[in-house]
Amino acid sequence: QKEVEQNSGPLSVPEGAIASLNCTYSDRGSQSFFWYRQYSGKSPELIMFIYSNGDKEDGRFTAQLNKASQYVSLLIRDSQPSDSATYLCASLPPLAGGTSYGKLTFGQGTILTVHP
Amino acid sequence: DAGVTQSPTHLIKTRGQQVTLRCSPISGHKSVSWYQQVLGQGPQFIFQYYEKEERGRGNFPDRFSARQFPNYSSELNVNALLLGDSALYLCASSSRHPGYTFGSGTRLTVV
Repeated sequence: QKEVEQNSGPLSVPEGAIASLNCTYSDRGSQSFFWYRQYSGKSPELIMFIYSNGDKEDGRFTAQLNKASQYVSLLIRDSQPSDSATYLCASLPPLAGGTSYGKLTFGQGTILTVHP
Repeated sequence: DAGVTQSPTHLIKTRGQQVTLRCSPISGHKSVSWYQQVLGQGPQFIFQYYEKEERGRGNFPDRFSARQFPNYSSELNVNALLLGDSALYLCASSSRHPGYTFGSGTRLTVV
């Protein structure tokens, strides 16, 4: 079982629709979760992070975390063609002693296409 | 503010050669991590350095090595290159939460 798994894509939605991206993780010790967006040929760009159970909203993006179900999701409202990219889910274990190092574990990514 | 800078941006090497990739973290960031991303997959953790000490190593062979310098910049070395080492190599730096900021990467092609 992969440590972080994302729903298989590619995902295609019409412009203006809600895109739903899902991710499950196997390590119950994982404490923080991140969503990165990666355009073709570019490096990953952090768009959302979440630590606590529930929802976290930032503009058109909402991250949802359910630690009991070991499930993380990202909703993109009013999807735009510029949202077309690969979305990467990543987990991070608890950081030791307030330090800033830890291994990010990524899923395989979900390709999202938003068509006009 | 300058972000994470990586050099070179592209590199073509022959099997069996050695390569050195370089990374400068965001000013003030003391942690640098290296990731390998093969086409169609998510990034895979290679190394992490914090305060010039290795703090983590991924499941990569000993051909991969790295170090961090007093100014927190870092180098990733790969010896005896194989075709399978062709990938995008990403450097990320972090201070405290949240998240890690990635550089633009080095695209390595082994022929």
